[in-house]
Amino acid sequence: GENVEQHPSTLSVQEGDSAVIKCTYSDSASNYFPWYKQELGKRPQLIIDIRSNVGEKKDQRIAVTLNKTAKHFSLHITETQPEDSAVYFCAASSGGGADGLTFGKGTHLIIQP
Amino acid sequence: DSGVTQTPKHLITATGQRVTLRCSPRSGDLSVYWYQQSLDQGLQFLIQYYNGEERAKGNILERFSAQQFPDLHSELNLSSLELGDSALYFCASSVDSEVRETQYFGPGTRLLVL
Repeated sequence: GENVEQHPSTLSVQEGDSAVIKCTYSDSASNYFPWYKQELGKRPQLIIDIRSNVGEKKDQRIAVTLNKTAKHFSLHITETQPEDSAVYFCAASSGGGADGLTFGKGTHLIIQP
Repeated sequence: DSGVTQTPKHLITATGQRVTLRCSPRSGDLSVYWYQQSLDQGLQFLIQYYNGEERAKGNILERFSAQQFPDLHSELNLSSLELGDSALYFCASSVDSEVRETQYFGPGTRLLVL
């Protein structure tokens, strides 16, 4: 089955700086890669996703890049703000009608004021 | 608010017992997914239902089962509970089409097995 590795497990950045979280996946059939943000005790919320026919996608301060050859994808957050502090999860889905997500272990992003 | 509802919010029970968690998907969503989140295992996919039929199985134990009813709500049944089953259980739903659709998560049910 699919295996998703996520790094780093903890990331501390100064407010206003950029943050990058990286993930690798193992199943070359995977074609959908969402990123979720989870605040303590809350539900995961989708912040951005990318499909395998696209190399990059941007939404305001958030961007995701995908390298299918290397089987890795990254989340980039620019101009970080205190409200960006949370745990971020990457995930992959191989689809084919059965699209349960395989999640990475998560990155605890800490924005230092 | 994602539009996905889950009940109950919290559940405390004893080892060996059986519990049922309930999920109502967003209006119009045909697919329901169940996930388990624990400190040691992270977020794990358990099972997916689409329009009443089981579509995919993940890391679901044999002691666990699920079903999706004609009104599309779903129930996750956990039996012979063990201490290690203590976790946050999330339900998610999606429209489900040929193109991968966003999965919207419910608020979760926190299960504590004593």
